[in-house]
Amino acid sequence: DAKTTQPPSMDCAEGRAANLPCNHSTISGNEYVYWYRQIHSQGPQYIIHGLKNNETNEMASLIITEDRKSSTLILPHATLRDTAVYYCIVKSRAGNMLTFGGGTRLMVKP
Amino acid sequence: NAGVTQTPKFRILKIGQSMTLQCAQDMNHNYMYWYRQDPGMGLKLIYYSVGAGITDKGEVPNGYNVSRSTTEDFPLRLELAAPSQTSVYFCASSSSDRADEQFFGPGTRLTVL
Repeated sequence: DAKTTQPPSMDCAEGRAANLPCNHSTISGNEYVYWYRQIHSQGPQYIIHGLKNNETNEMASLIITEDRKSSTLILPHATLRDTAVYYCIVKSRAGNMLTFGGGTRLMVKP
Repeated sequence: NAGVTQTPKFRILKIGQSMTLQCAQDMNHNYMYWYRQDPGMGLKLIYYSVGAGITDKGEVPNGYNVSRSTTEDFPLRLELAAPSQTSVYFCASSSSDRADEQFFGPGTRLTVL
């Protein structure tokens, strides 16, 4: 699975959009981009995934660049409860291992 | 639905003791997983199962054993506990057609002294 690079931490004002970047320059054509988050002391929570098209669900939007070498997770109106560590994971559908790296610690401030 | 449940929430073990961490899910998921998370780190896969009677090693299986006799339950056994096994343990499950959309339990915080 391709390696991902994320900033270790970010701040966002409550009510503003949070844009979390992820670099995955070695991604292969059959690999998907997954986003999970982990709120303090809880288990990770699946957010969204995509292959090459932009995706949106009730939680977030995922923007993948045309060359697929990077992506951005967007929380459109961040709340204090969105404070968490956000993990970007690149993985093919084959295989059963999700590899959680360091992630980005997002702090939403009032 | 209760989702994925884990017991106990906390446990302190002495070196050399053994214990079983329980995990159950009520979503009829075929796939189940055990991860560990050391302080300040990401999760590492210990074992996983793609169905009853089938288990396989993950990234860090040494010191652990699993069994999967039913679809619902996936216990993790620690034999001869060591301080290096101090960690938070998460169980997860997913359906076979959406295997990478995993649902996680609340975790078991284990300390080995």
